[in-house]
Amino acid sequence: GQSLEQPSEVTAVEGAIVQINCTYQTSGFYGLSWYQQHDGGAPTFLSYNALDGLEETGRFSSFLSRSDSYGYLLLQELQMKDSASYFCAVRGSGSARQLTFGSGTQLTVLP
Amino acid sequence: ETGVTQSPTHLIKTRGQQVTLRCSSQSGHNTVSWYQQALGQGPQFIFQYYREEENGRGNFPPRFSGLQFPNYSSELNVNALELDDSALYLCASSLETGGPGANVLTFGAGSRLTVL
Repeated sequence: GQSLEQPSEVTAVEGAIVQINCTYQTSGFYGLSWYQQHDGGAPTFLSYNALDGLEETGRFSSFLSRSDSYGYLLLQELQMKDSASYFCAVRGSGSARQLTFGSGTQLTVLP
Repeated sequence: ETGVTQSPTHLIKTRGQQVTLRCSSQSGHNTVSWYQQALGQGPQFIFQYYREEENGRGNFPPRFSGLQFPNYSSELNVNALELDDSALYLCASSLETGGPGANVLTFGAGSRLTVL
């Protein structure tokens, strides 16, 4: 099966840079993804890594090291609207190669 | 392009009852997955449907069942409701069941189920 670990909470100030780490265990590997969820909202897709290295999408970047079973989401130039829960999710060799989500990291951005 | 829509948004049931939740997938998406999200937790995979067939299931009992229709919309049915079934039920559609597109899920806003 699959399992993921990520910090439960992170706090940073507006304008800062924050990194949310994720380690995973999986049978088979078909990608590590990141999703954002605001309170009361739907999870929304942010980024996806299938190969080692950095993927950049605007203020957000995601990194993957398959040999270390590790990835991170980097948020730059933090804004108040970035306060949300962030989930890493791995796709492995589950019954449907489904996405398995971590428990989430609650990011609080302070003024 | 419409997104994923779910209904109802909120509902209250009592223990032992049955519930049906509905989902319309994003236009062009042929795969639908259902997730259960307890408060403060990540989404937990229930099952996935592709071409009207269940093609994967998480660690949920048989009283959780589903359907997918020819237009790719889907239903989640839960029988014999238990208190622990209280959660947000999320439907997500994707462009494909395998390949990179399977990592990109479009979620609906969810159905909040409370079991008393």
